[in-house]
Amino acid sequence: DTGVSQNPRHKITKRGQNVTFRCDPISEHNRLYWYRQTLGQGPEFLTYFQNEAQLEKSRLLSDRFSAERPKGSFSTLEIQRTEQGDSAMYLCASSTQRNTIYFGEGSWLTVV
Amino acid sequence: AQKVTQAQTEISVVEKEDVTLDCVYETRDTTYYLFWYKQPPSGELVFLIRRNSFDEQNEISGRYSWNFQKSTSSFNFTITASQVVDSAVYFCALSPADGGSQGNLIFGKGTKLSVKP
Repeated sequence: DTGVSQNPRHKITKRGQNVTFRCDPISEHNRLYWYRQTLGQGPEFLTYFQNEAQLEKSRLLSDRFSAERPKGSFSTLEIQRTEQGDSAMYLCASSTQRNTIYFGEGSWLTVV
Repeated sequence: AQKVTQAQTEISVVEKEDVTLDCVYETRDTTYYLFWYKQPPSGELVFLIRRNSFDEQNEISGRYSWNFQKSTSSFNFTITASQVVDSAVYFCALSPADGGSQGNLIFGKGTKLSVKP
């Protein structure tokens, strides 16, 4: 499978716990994106990397959220001190420069 | 401000019917991209098409066709002879054409299409 891979696919956590999601982009893609999608809504942009550099962050990305892409390959999205409002699907996507953005299957987070 | 409006929340058709999904957008950019994605129940967003704002030619791909009209800021999507496998949520999206912000897609709220046998 050469598509964008995300794990875990589903995560249930208690409020206040930290969670981390991993994204492996398509191998030749130097751009990587994180989006969040809540029920009944379209995805919303969170942040974007070009290689290992985080070039853009949305105002949706509060201080409890941190994303990294240490070697310009896979990326992690960590949410600290989770809140019920963080329950959503977190989508990762990748692309080459000026090319189509391909999405993964998403990681569902439920905060109880 | 940039905005994408998909006025149809849900559409239900019977197999073999044609169906058109509407998309209206707002942007101040002179160059931009428009997209359609399909999201089946599994959750993955499946890329369908990307259209540059300079290219107003309509496009057909099998049973799918897209009608881009810059004058009305619309990018509508038609499925001909719909099939049950077309059942999904369809999203229209907009992004700038220049620079890194190309990846900052602005999505509509989606249209849920149900195709009944």
